[in-house]
Amino acid sequence: DTAVSQTPKYLVTQMGNDKSIKCEQNLGHDTMYWYKQDSKKFLKIMFSYNNKELIINETVPNRFSPKSPDKAHLNLHINSLELGDSAVYFCASSQVTSGANVLTFGAGSRLTVL
Amino acid sequence: ELKVEQNPLFLSMQEGKNYTIYCNYSTTSDRLYWYRQDPGKSLESLFVLLSNGAVKQEGRLMASLDTKARLSTLHITAAVHDLSATYFCAVTGISGAGSYQLTFGKGTKLSVIP
Repeated sequence: DTAVSQTPKYLVTQMGNDKSIKCEQNLGHDTMYWYKQDSKKFLKIMFSYNNKELIINETVPNRFSPKSPDKAHLNLHINSLELGDSAVYFCASSQVTSGANVLTFGAGSRLTVL
Repeated sequence: ELKVEQNPLFLSMQEGKNYTIYCNYSTTSDRLYWYRQDPGKSLESLFVLLSNGAVKQEGRLMASLDTKARLSTLHITAAVHDLSATYFCAVTGISGAGSYQLTFGKGTKLSVIP
């Protein structure tokens, strides 16, 4: 069973379109994240949710809107896609245990905006 | 703002050789993580270092943490081709909201040449 699963794995779309990426974890973790990895492989956190509540919202355009219907799911909706949104988006989950916060990542969703 | 710097960013080494990847961070922290990412794949947790002087070893990789110097090292012993990947270090803060949020370095792309 996949611990953190994201869909779709690949997404190719035109500028101006709206798209969503879904994420589900079956690890029972309380916290879920969205990270963006650009073409230079730099990883930057976008959002973090703990038990369905937003706890981290980095400087991300308003076009990006996360939604967590329950603690096992964290979806990412992107409006009015721009060329610069092309990247790999990783979902992750974690549970702090003995002071350690080890993230389990999904396989990533590669978004290409044309 | 917590900054995490890795060097080198690119490393090409011959099989059988030893080398060290360095991870420096800008503010006090005692929790450091190492991840591995294979090309086109997700990130996989390698080591969690939770105290000054912590040392962890797995196969040909050994990680250590010096919180006073704000430095972690990932030492590679007798490299083999299978170790070719991008290695990320990540650090969390020590207090406050989002104190378990991970900030990642830019990654070190390691290529082991036969």
